[in-house]
Amino acid sequence: GAVVSQHPSWVICKSGTSVKIECRSLDFQATTMFWYRQFPKQSLMLMATSNEGSKATYEQGVEKDKFLINHASLTLSTLTVTSAHPEDSSFYICSAFGNNEQFFGPGTRLTVL
Amino acid sequence: GDSVTQMEGPVTLSEEAFLTINCTYTATGYPSLFWYVQYPGEGLQLLLKATKADDKGSNKGFEATYRKETTSFHLEKGSVQVSDSAVYFCALASGGGADGLTFGKGTHLIIQP
Repeated sequence: GAVVSQHPSWVICKSGTSVKIECRSLDFQATTMFWYRQFPKQSLMLMATSNEGSKATYEQGVEKDKFLINHASLTLSTLTVTSAHPEDSSFYICSAFGNNEQFFGPGTRLTVL
Repeated sequence: GDSVTQMEGPVTLSEEAFLTINCTYTATGYPSLFWYVQYPGEGLQLLLKATKADDKGSNKGFEATYRKETTSFHLEKGSVQVSDSAVYFCALASGGGADGLTFGKGTHLIIQP
């Protein structure tokens, strides 16, 4: 199957700083990518849909100014958590849609101190 | 809104046992239904899917049938192996997979030799 990578796999930052997470489709082009968030023992929650060349569509309750999404090319989407706070600590997972299927990255563990 | 409910884990079975992981859903219209598997340290992988009522998805010995009357999509396998140990997620997509997915909380399956 197709491969999706995320970088970094984990990151620790201080409160108030911004963190950028990259999601890449390595062997296919994806016009649509998705960003999910997962809390411990909880399901993945869709945060936003990222479309190449256009603004992301955010789910209800997700702050677009806090979670900046840029889908600059057909193989790269980035999620920037701005002015991160401890409550933003979570597991962030991206997926890329291709060949009628969503392919998931391995996730990024964000810890905000 | 859409929701997915699946049995809580962990589920611990002996090798060669029969497996059932229950999944029920609430959705408007006729969603597509999915089972994803996440092995340790890896991203979610599509295990099987069904796009309309009475469809049966199958892969690697796993099966699930789309039951509209009971709004269920239970995952079954006749004889599990140690290598099946993973976290299994039931999910739905109202748009057929090109939209973001709604996930259940996941079921951790542990197979003992």
